Amino acid sequence: AQRVTQPEKLLSVFKGAPVELKCNYSYSGSPELFWYVQYSRQRLQLLLRHISRESIKGFTADLNKGETSFHLKKPFAQEEDSAMYYCALSGSNTGKLIFGQGTTLQVKP
Amino acid sequence: EPEVTQTPSHQVTQMGQEVILRCVPISNHLYFYWYRQILGQKVEFLVSFYNNEISEKSEIFDDQFSVERPDGSNFTLKIRSTKLEDSAMYFCASSGQGWKGAFFGQGTRLTVV
Repeated sequence: AQRVTQPEKLLSVFKGAPVELKCNYSYSGSPELFWYVQYSRQRLQLLLRHISRESIKGFTADLNKGETSFHLKKPFAQEEDSAMYYCALSGSNTGKLIFGQGTTLQVKP
Repeated sequence: EPEVTQTPSHQVTQMGQEVILRCVPISNHLYFYWYRQILGQKVEFLVSFYNNEISEKSEIFDDQFSVERPDGSNFTLKIRSTKLEDSAMYFCASSGQGWKGAFFGQGTRLTVV
């Protein structure tokens, strides 16, 4: 079964603390993994793709095929990072995305 | 920066009525999608559309749903006879050649009463 699991509904940290948003997936094949972010009252925005191995707004994510994980990390959280974060995978050639439940990141001052 | 735009932002309709949700994808994109998110649940794929036809659809996308690209810019989702359980946020998305992820609109909140 194709599935994305984000085990934490809410992650609350203080400003300057490290952040790790967990994502595990189940897919028979080689999926492409993404992180999307949704700030309050805004649209879903693409944050990261595993293929590009980039760092956006200080966030990084490494695909671990052995653990089927794609955790999102940032060494020092900022208040403006407070948002809903969705992990998603794409496996079909139609571009269909399968989303996790989302994790709300709350960064306290 | 180009964006996907959706109208209306909020639609209230009576059960059994037809609704059309509208989207203007990013202009040079070729792949178009609809997703929905019922309150408190995950974002779910409904349908993908390429080259003027449906390329993939989910189990949710039954005969009550249809999509159309009536001209070179719009992409619509029609729900023929709305049910209470169709109440959700509906997101349109598009992507270009060389799949790099989908770009989402701001969503239409559909409320069926």
